[in-house]
Amino acid sequence: EAAVTQSPRNKVTVTGGNVTLSCRQTNSHNYMYWYRQDTGHGLRLIHYSYGAGNLQIGDVPDGYKATRTTQEDFFLLLELASPSQTSLYFCASSDMTGHYAEQFFGPGTRLTVL
Amino acid sequence: GDSVTQTEGLVTLTKGLPVMLNCTYQTTYSPFLFWYVQHLNEAPKLLLKSSTDNKRTEHQGFYATLHKSSSSFHLQKSSVQLSDSALYFCALSDPGGRALIFGTGTTVSVSP
Repeated sequence: EAAVTQSPRNKVTVTGGNVTLSCRQTNSHNYMYWYRQDTGHGLRLIHYSYGAGNLQIGDVPDGYKATRTTQEDFFLLLELASPSQTSLYFCASSDMTGHYAEQFFGPGTRLTVL
Repeated sequence: GDSVTQTEGLVTLTKGLPVMLNCTYQTTYSPFLFWYVQHLNEAPKLLLKSSTDNKRTEHQGFYATLHKSSSSFHLQKSSVQLSDSALYFCALSDPGGRALIFGTGTTVSVSP
């Protein structure tokens, strides 16, 4: 089964703080995704990438940057964190060989911005 | 734009009863639908995915049928178990097949 890991699992920062969330997948998947999960909104796509150096904008990108350094590693950056970014963040990966490709999710990072 | 609608936020029922979770979608292209399940404090996992129009797909006792005529992909189970208590998401593949558009989710709570 696909393995996706995230770090840290929990993070508390203050408004204006700088936060980096890390994601690694070890299954040679080409696509990686960052989502945020909030009650009443489901999972919303922030950014995604289909390979090292590539970045695609998702549905809720404001306030977030992302970088895909290798096929395995995808980072989400919050340079000036705000309380509205308090959320549960999931990373996912997929080989996206077609529309039916399954996405495999990491365990999530709970971020609190005070 | 493309969207997925799940009308129930919370469904509560007793073990052994049937359940149906509604999912409708809007898209201008050929749809590919998924159901993901998320148990408490866990990551979402794929439950099942759509097949061709009007064909039923099944997994782990759950089943769903894509109906293009009504833009629906409802999830059903004939007899729920306590372990089915979870958050269920319906999702639509985007036009390029690169990303998913998720509904807001339905929480299922099963009591003994």
